[in-house]
Amino acid sequence: EPEVTQTPSHQVTQMGQEVILRCVPISNHLYFYWYRQILGQKVEFLVSFYNNEISEKSEIFDDQFSVERPDGSNFTLKIRSTKLEDSAMYFCASSEDWTPSYEQYFGPGTRLTVT
Amino acid sequence: RKEVEQDPGPFNVPEGATVAFNCTYSNSASQSFFWYRQDCRKEPKLLMSVYSSGNEDGRFTAQLNRASQYISLLIRDSKLSDSATYLCVVNNVSNFGNEKLTFGTGTRLTIIP
Repeated sequence: EPEVTQTPSHQVTQMGQEVILRCVPISNHLYFYWYRQILGQKVEFLVSFYNNEISEKSEIFDDQFSVERPDGSNFTLKIRSTKLEDSAMYFCASSEDWTPSYEQYFGPGTRLTVT
Repeated sequence: RKEVEQDPGPFNVPEGATVAFNCTYSNSASQSFFWYRQDCRKEPKLLMSVYSSGNEDGRFTAQLNRASQYISLLIRDSKLSDSATYLCVVNNVSNFGNEKLTFGTGTRLTIIP
């Protein structure tokens, strides 16, 4: 069964450093998403991406965050200057289409630890 | 009021028991509804979609009451492998016509042998 993959599984970085989290969505999917989950808290939507542009973003997704689809397979989330409060699990997801009948498939996540 | 509200639990129930989870949502314009399952430190996985007519998938039954903005999940004949956190998820369409999933905090379930 096709799956969303994410690398690295765990990233440790120092406050103020830039990090790039990588995702490979399912190959025929057109919609891509990033979510985050702070330890012990709920999963929160960050951003959705379609046709090489952001289609929706939450208030969490401020100027420190950016997304990119640099080639035909990868989808990346960049945090320019990490803060302690960015420590969380970051999940990438993809879906074939945007209508409610199309499931969003989640990757295994990248655990980001900011020290 | 929280966008999606769930009893956080934990629910500790014996194997074979029936357990029910409830969820309420605040946005009356919400369009679609789901139950996801999340194992410890893993990604959310879709358990089932929830329809107004109610739907069943094996031991799992989901119900939606749009008037009360209430969603439920019933697990019958619970098994040890059902131990997980169950996430109530609502799909809202933004002012720009885009969708986003809004998650509840989850209800933690432990099945006791």
